[in-house]
Amino acid sequence: DARVTQTPRHKVTEMGQEVTMRCQPILGHNTVFWYRQTMMQGLELLAYFRNRAPLDDSGMPKDRFSAEMPDATLATLKIQPSEPRDSAVYFCASGPQGIDTGELFFGEGSRLTVL
Amino acid sequence: QKEVEQNSGPLSVPEGAIASLNCTYSDRGSQSFFWYRQYSGKSPELIMFIYSNGDKEDGRFTAQLNKASQYVSLLIRDSQPSDSATYLCAVNEGYSSASKIIFGSGTRLSIRP
Repeated sequence: DARVTQTPRHKVTEMGQEVTMRCQPILGHNTVFWYRQTMMQGLELLAYFRNRAPLDDSGMPKDRFSAEMPDATLATLKIQPSEPRDSAVYFCASGPQGIDTGELFFGEGSRLTVL
Repeated sequence: QKEVEQNSGPLSVPEGAIASLNCTYSDRGSQSFFWYRQYSGKSPELIMFIYSNGDKEDGRFTAQLNKASQYVSLLIRDSQPSDSATYLCAVNEGYSSASKIIFGSGTRLSIRP
């Protein structure tokens, strides 16, 4: 059963600490998105990759967030230093070539709490 | 102005009635439109997509698109308690080689027995 795998599922950390979230996209999918979801802002696009190349990261606070895709089976989202306002659920989603269909497959999310 | 706008709700509909969910978008060049459903505590899942003006039906769901008005809607007929969820409208913006999927904030739907 193909699915997007995200780790960790839950993370509680203190302000100023580094946080790394990982995502394993579905094998064969060449597009990977990172979204952040909060009650106030909804589902915000942070960054996305196609064939491992970053296409747009304009939704990310550049001074503290970074997203990479070191290989086709791993995408990472790093926050350093973390702040309480970063508390949210972070979703990774992958899609097959031909993303015009818009069918993204979401992971279960990483719930981050920054104290 | 947000790129994809939805009424946050909650929208309360009696069981068996039609639920109507609406969405507007700002990018006139957008070509593809999607509805995702998200149950509480779960991740979004795609339920419908539409590319052309008009209606597209899939079981109890009908998506409607009006590009001139930049308006997308989702109708759910014979609403069931299991339809209670947040419905996210999404738009594919940009060129196909660099297109991105932008989501609205979602409309929370509650079906009352």
